[in-house]
Amino acid sequence: DSGVTQTPKHLITATGQRVTLRCSPRSGDLSVYWYQQSLDQGLQFLIQYYNGEERAKGNILERFSAQQFPDLHSELNLSSLELGDSALYFCASSAGQGGNSPLHFGNGTRLTVT
Amino acid sequence: TQLLEQSPQFLSIQEGENLTVYCNSSSVFSSLQWYRQEPGEGPVLLVTVVTGGEVKKLKRLTFQFGDARKDSSLHITAAQTGDTGLYLCAGGGASGNTPLVFGKGTRLSVIA
Repeated sequence: DSGVTQTPKHLITATGQRVTLRCSPRSGDLSVYWYQQSLDQGLQFLIQYYNGEERAKGNILERFSAQQFPDLHSELNLSSLELGDSALYFCASSAGQGGNSPLHFGNGTRLTVT
Repeated sequence: TQLLEQSPQFLSIQEGENLTVYCNSSSVFSSLQWYRQEPGEGPVLLVTVVTGGEVKKLKRLTFQFGDARKDSSLHITAAQTGDTGLYLCAGGGASGNTPLVFGKGTRLSVIA
């Protein structure tokens, strides 16, 4: 058990809809990362927050947004969903904010857009 | 953009065989991490290597970081069915401040 909790585990929705994915980091970790995993693209970094502030941005679409709350949990909002957004979305946390800190991953949210 | 290429993409072997998977880049990394991911779960960290030429062993798994810190390899001795999974390498940027970049992984299947 990594200590990172993601909900929901599965999500099925229609094109054009909006969904929110939730992540609770491991106790004591200040950094939260969001990754998208698809078969052809692998694990793609979306965005990182550290102690409530946006720290780094990757290949995140403008239709997607995220935030980290004072209690350090994070939410990833996906709007105007398209078929191509179907993927596994992982949250990870780490104690530090740099790229050398080991990541602890949740078990992901499988999003299916129909 | 730093890219990590992993090879082979797929590998299917018999139990008891040895194997090596590779992680290559044209970029220098401050560290290299290896993760294993099983179906329905998130990646789990196996090891971190930080020094060029470093070798780390984890039971039957041997990890090596290239001298120039641009590549890494994972060698498994006498593979077992429990080694089945997706092996991902991830590199920390040279400055150490950028988020990890992941390769696409090697999907290993060990058959009894």
